[in-house]
Amino acid sequence: KQEVTQIPAALSVPEGENLVLNCSFTDSAIYNLQWFRQDPGKGLTSLLLIQSSQREQTSGRLNASLDKSSGRSTLYIAASQPGDSATYLCAVRPLEYGNKLVFGAGTILRVKS
Amino acid sequence: DVKVTQSSRYLVKRTGEKVFLECVQDMDHENMFWYRQDPGLGLRLIYFSYDVKMKEKGDIPEGYSVSREKKERFSLILESASTNQTSMYLCASSPGRGAYEQYFGPGTRLTVT
Repeated sequence: KQEVTQIPAALSVPEGENLVLNCSFTDSAIYNLQWFRQDPGKGLTSLLLIQSSQREQTSGRLNASLDKSSGRSTLYIAASQPGDSATYLCAVRPLEYGNKLVFGAGTILRVKS
Repeated sequence: DVKVTQSSRYLVKRTGEKVFLECVQDMDHENMFWYRQDPGLGLRLIYFSYDVKMKEKGDIPEGYSVSREKKERFSLILESASTNQTSMYLCASSPGRGAYEQYFGPGTRLTVT
């Protein structure tokens, strides 16, 4: 059964720091991996989608990498800002389950001004 | 931009009531999903639909049913609401059968008293 783990569970950094959020998954048989952002009490906003054949994706200050063989992904946020404060979730789409996503528990990020 | 809307942001219902949560997407997506999100348990899939009138159970379908009569609309039904169904409910959609992104709505915070 696919399991997704995110480390750390919470992170607090001063504004301007570069930071890395980690996501690991137990089964490398996936279609893709997706990173989401969730603000308190709100829905999920898709940040980046990495297909299983890709190594990384970039959007602005965000860069996500995927190492499928080792079951790991990282989300790199450059020059963090207070507006980046949110919960970051990663989810994998296993080959076995078709459309289903398996989510990690998330990393709560706080960027202090 | 893909838009997924949910009928209510906040809902308060009494135990035993029948509850309808509505989700509408405007991008002609084939797939639609209902999740619930609880602290410490993350997001869990309740039901999904890959076509009109088609549905499949997710991880936690007990106590729920769904309806998809039109492609753009996917309803989650709580036949007899119970206090353990107090949760955040999130709807999502995605196109086709390929490895596409899921797009989420803003969520409905349901409280059952």
